[in-house]
Amino acid sequence: AQRVTQPEKLLSVFKGAPVELKCNYSYSGSPELFWYVQYSRQRLQLLLRHISRESIKGFTADLNKGETSFHLKKPFAQEEDSAMYYCALTGRGRDDKIIFGKGTRLHILP
Amino acid sequence: DVKVTQSSRYLVKRTGEKVFLECVQDMDHENMFWYRQDPGLGLRLIYFSYDVKMKEKGDIPEGYSVSREKKERFSLILESASTNQTSMYLCASTNPGTLPDTQYFGPGTRLTVL
Repeated sequence: AQRVTQPEKLLSVFKGAPVELKCNYSYSGSPELFWYVQYSRQRLQLLLRHISRESIKGFTADLNKGETSFHLKKPFAQEEDSAMYYCALTGRGRDDKIIFGKGTRLHILP
Repeated sequence: DVKVTQSSRYLVKRTGEKVFLECVQDMDHENMFWYRQDPGLGLRLIYFSYDVKMKEKGDIPEGYSVSREKKERFSLILESASTNQTSMYLCASTNPGTLPDTQYFGPGTRLTVL
């Protein structure tokens, strides 16, 4: 079954501390992985995708095919990182749907 | 810049009413989606459409229908609203290319059914 699991509903981290938002997936094939973010009172938007191998707002995510994980990391948390984060995957087919995890709310403590 | 707009930010309806949620995108995207977003449940796909007049059921289509008469517009219809349909509704669009594209989301419609 195709599934995205985010084990933490809420993660509280002190400002300046490292952040790791966990994401594990189950997919038969080679998926594309994404992280989406929703800041307070803003629309859901793409943060980064694994194929781009980019760092956005200091966040990175590495696809670990052996562990079927795509954890989101940032070395030093900032207060503006407080938001809802969704891990998502889709297949490589033209009409493949995107599957979202249930989300993790990141709360940065001052 | 892709723009996805939704007709209302907040909507309050009564049980049994017929409700229309409209979504418009201005980037000629082929694919459009309707999700509902609930705390602890994440985003759940209701319906999606790959082309005009085409529609596919998502994971939770019961109680909903959709209409796509024009490429830029995708409507979600609640034939007879019920209190368990109180939720945040998100519309999204994407254009399939050689690689899976990102989804562009609208601002959401918070629907309350009394």
